[in-house]
Amino acid sequence: SQTIHQWPATLVQPVGSPLSLECTVEGTSNPNLYWYRQAAGRGLQLLFYSVGIGQISSEVPQNLSASRPQDRQFILSSKKLLLSDSGFYLCAWSLSRDTQYFGPGTRLTVL
Amino acid sequence: GNSVTQMEGPVTLSEEAFLTINCTYTATGYPSLFWYVQYPGEGLQLLLKATKADDKGSNKGFEATYRKETTSFHLEKGSVQVSDSAVYFCALGPYSGAGSYQLTFGKGTKLSVIP
Repeated sequence: SQTIHQWPATLVQPVGSPLSLECTVEGTSNPNLYWYRQAAGRGLQLLFYSVGIGQISSEVPQNLSASRPQDRQFILSSKKLLLSDSGFYLCAWSLSRDTQYFGPGTRLTVL
Repeated sequence: GNSVTQMEGPVTLSEEAFLTINCTYTATGYPSLFWYVQYPGEGLQLLLKATKADDKGSNKGFEATYRKETTSFHLEKGSVQVSDSAVYFCALGPYSGAGSYQLTFGKGTKLSVIP
């Protein structure tokens, strides 16, 4: 069966510091991968998705970036965090255009 | 564009009460419809889905029917338990012809079930 991992689970970072969040999927090959952000009191916002190694599509312009160095690894990064980057970051995978399966999430607090 | 409207919460029910969470959508084509559940501090879990009109998705006592004529996908459960307390999200799949991969989510409905 497929499993999806995210780490770290929680993170507290100062404004202006860099960020790296990692997501890995096991038990499947060539998945579509997604990064979402869930801000307090708001819905889910799709940030990036990837249909293959090195292929990244950005849905929202911002100071975040994503990379996919391996088939089942998806990384979310920032060079300088802003207060507004605080939120719950969710990684997801799918094998088609519809059903997506989510990871446990990373709670990021920027102070 | 695609959009999803969910009833606003929070919803508070007593154990064994009947649950309905309304969801309506606007979409191009005939997308799949989903309900996801998020327990406190966790990621989203797929609760059920329906892929075409009149399909009924069901899981763990929850049901939802894809109603094309009313563009709705209401979530129901006959008898809720304390363990059902969570946030529920209705979501709309992408229209394949548009080349999109984005699920469109509602804002979520928080359910609290009290003993």
